[in-house]
Amino acid sequence: QVQLQESGPGLVKPSETLSLTCTVSGGSTRNYYWSWIRQPPGEGLEWIGYVYYTGSTIYNPSLKSRVSISMDTSKNQLSLKLSSVTAADTAVYYCVRENWGSGYSYQIFDLWGQGTLVTVSS
Amino acid sequence: DIQMTQSPSSLSASVGDRVTITCRSSQSIGNYLNWYQQKPGKAPKLLIYAASSLQSGVPSRFSGSGSGTDFTLTIGSLQPEDFATYYCQQSHSTPTVTFGGGTKVENK
Repeated sequence: QVQLQESGPGLVKPSETLSLTCTVSGGSTRNYYWSWIRQPPGEGLEWIGYVYYTGSTIYNPSLKSRVSISMDTSKNQLSLKLSSVTAADTAVYYCVRENWGSGYSYQIFDLWGQGTLVTVSS
Repeated sequence: DIQMTQSPSSLSASVGDRVTITCRSSQSIGNYLNWYQQKPGKAPKLLIYAASSLQSGVPSRFSGSGSGTDFTLTIGSLQPEDFATYYCQQSHSTPTVTFGGGTKVENK
């Protein structure tokens, strides 16, 4: 059974870079898109971006200037870096597998990590 | 950006009630609409995809309908484990997907 586990510092200082890792266990990262989605406390969900197993990436335009997502298929890991953070970046960050139906008939987020809370504070 | 608007933002219901949640998109998205359930402290769970297809393992009391700009999630008979927050998500503008603001279903 494939599982996702996020890891990284729970506290980041303003203006610094948030760095998280997601480890995929029980399966391969190949042939999937892997997204990061975040949720500020008490708020809704925001898609940050994805990396394909080949390493290609797409980011949310609202975060594009500050975000970098990468994949290490040899370690079955993906990573997220978000620079110049502020208190508005305080959120639970989820690592999520994206899946597509045949012929791109549908798109879903079908497998989620448990999430990790990152607080931006001095 | 395609904006997703859910209504109501919260509702109170009792076990056994039929519950309906609405999601409206700012432009037509065909049937590229998914529904997720989230319980406190947990990650969202996929319930419905492509507007009306039930994800494997999800109870049949959950159903989805709609196309274009107006969509509905219905819980046929609310069960104790269904008290949660529900989110819609559009994938028409993929890769930039967006979520609705959520609907919290509370115990009356």
